[in-house]
Amino acid sequence: SAVISQKPSRDICQRGTSLTIQCQVDSQVTMMFWYRQQPGQSLTLIATANQGSEATYESGFVIDKFPISRPNLTFSTLTVSNMSPEDSSIYLCSVSQKIDSPLHFGNGTRLTVT
Amino acid sequence: RKEVEQDPGPFNVPEGATVAFNCTYSNSASQSFFWYRQDCRKEPKLLMSVYSSGNEDGRFTAQLNRASQYISLLIRDSKLSDSATYLCVVTQGSVVGKLIFGQGTELSVKP
Repeated sequence: SAVISQKPSRDICQRGTSLTIQCQVDSQVTMMFWYRQQPGQSLTLIATANQGSEATYESGFVIDKFPISRPNLTFSTLTVSNMSPEDSSIYLCSVSQKIDSPLHFGNGTRLTVT
Repeated sequence: RKEVEQDPGPFNVPEGATVAFNCTYSNSASQSFFWYRQDCRKEPKLLMSVYSSGNEDGRFTAQLNRASQYISLLIRDSKLSDSATYLCVVTQGSVVGKLIFGQGTELSVKP
């Protein structure tokens, strides 16, 4: 399966600031997604990162808060904007190499907002 | 009702035990089904896909009953290294990447 690298692996940020998380894959992938795992919770899909166009957001997530870029088939970024302590979570990039292939996850970014 | 419901844990079992996890899902449009394993403070890793015919991978057996919207995972001869949280995962529809996760069932295998 593809090797997925996320940066940073963790960060501590002040409220009101923004953090951009990078996801790099070692091969071209069809689909890229961003998930969030809040403390003690399971994973929730934030959005589908579409190559060359605007991301598709799930209910409860908006572009102004979580802008996403995907300039090519191997790279995507997620920005967490105007952070508050409620944004403290693990953010995970995930990829599927083909439309019917299982999803694989990056190592995650552990974000703490103070 | 949660979209994916799993046995509440934790399960504490001795080495060598057989343990079964159960899962139900509410979206009849779900097309693909998986079990993921998540170790503490790590990302989820795919354990196995689940097929209607049932499938086995070594000590792990997964079953799917579409009519009952029920998924199971059986682990035989538990090892200490099996200790983790097991996540039942289904697709929102036909797109594999749009996944709905259960809350997970924690397994602790003791010597």
